[in-house]
Amino acid sequence: AQSVSQHNHHVILSEAASLELGCNYSYGGTVNLFWYVQYPGQHLQLLLKYFSGDPLVKGIKGFEAEFIKSKFSFNLRKPSVQWSDTAEYFCAVTSGTYKYIFGTGTRLKVLA
Amino acid sequence: SQTIHQWPATLVQPVGSPLSLECTVEGTSNPNLYWYRQAAGRGLQLLFYSVGIGQISSEVPQNLSASRPQDRQFILSSKKLLLSDSGFYLCAWSQDSRNEQFFGPGTRLTVL
Repeated sequence: AQSVSQHNHHVILSEAASLELGCNYSYGGTVNLFWYVQYPGQHLQLLLKYFSGDPLVKGIKGFEAEFIKSKFSFNLRKPSVQWSDTAEYFCAVTSGTYKYIFGTGTRLKVLA
Repeated sequence: SQTIHQWPATLVQPVGSPLSLECTVEGTSNPNLYWYRQAAGRGLQLLFYSVGIGQISSEVPQNLSASRPQDRQFILSSKKLLLSDSGFYLCAWSQDSRNEQFFGPGTRLTVL
């Protein structure tokens, strides 16, 4: 069965620190990959997505993610985090079967 | 633009009572519709999805059911709630099986 693993459950960083959140999936075929963010008290919203082409994708608010097919990974990065990045981040994958598989989420806290 | 509504926002129900949560989407037609339950540290658990009116796929056998009486309406129901049904329920839609999903604000259900 398909699965998505997010190894970091809680991350605490100081402002201006660099961020990398890990995401690994298990599926051997063609996948579409997503990162969603849920700010406190707000809806889940899309941060960025990968369908095909350039494996380095850029999203909103300075986030980017790199798809490494050989490692089944889609890690999220940001060079310099801000206090406003405090949120929960979810990685998700779909292979076109109408089902989206989500990771367990990573709670990021950025200290001002 | 498309919007997704869920109601009620919060609900407190006694064990054994029925449940009906409603989700409606505006500004699109023939969406794929989804019900998730979000639990802290466990990510998003897919409960049901629907690719058309009257078409429901269940992912997790449990005390809940779903119906899609209209193209843009998705209902989550239970005849008799259990304590374990407490949680945060999210509705989502997508235009097809590979694009991103858009999430509603969620319903916080507490079963006492």
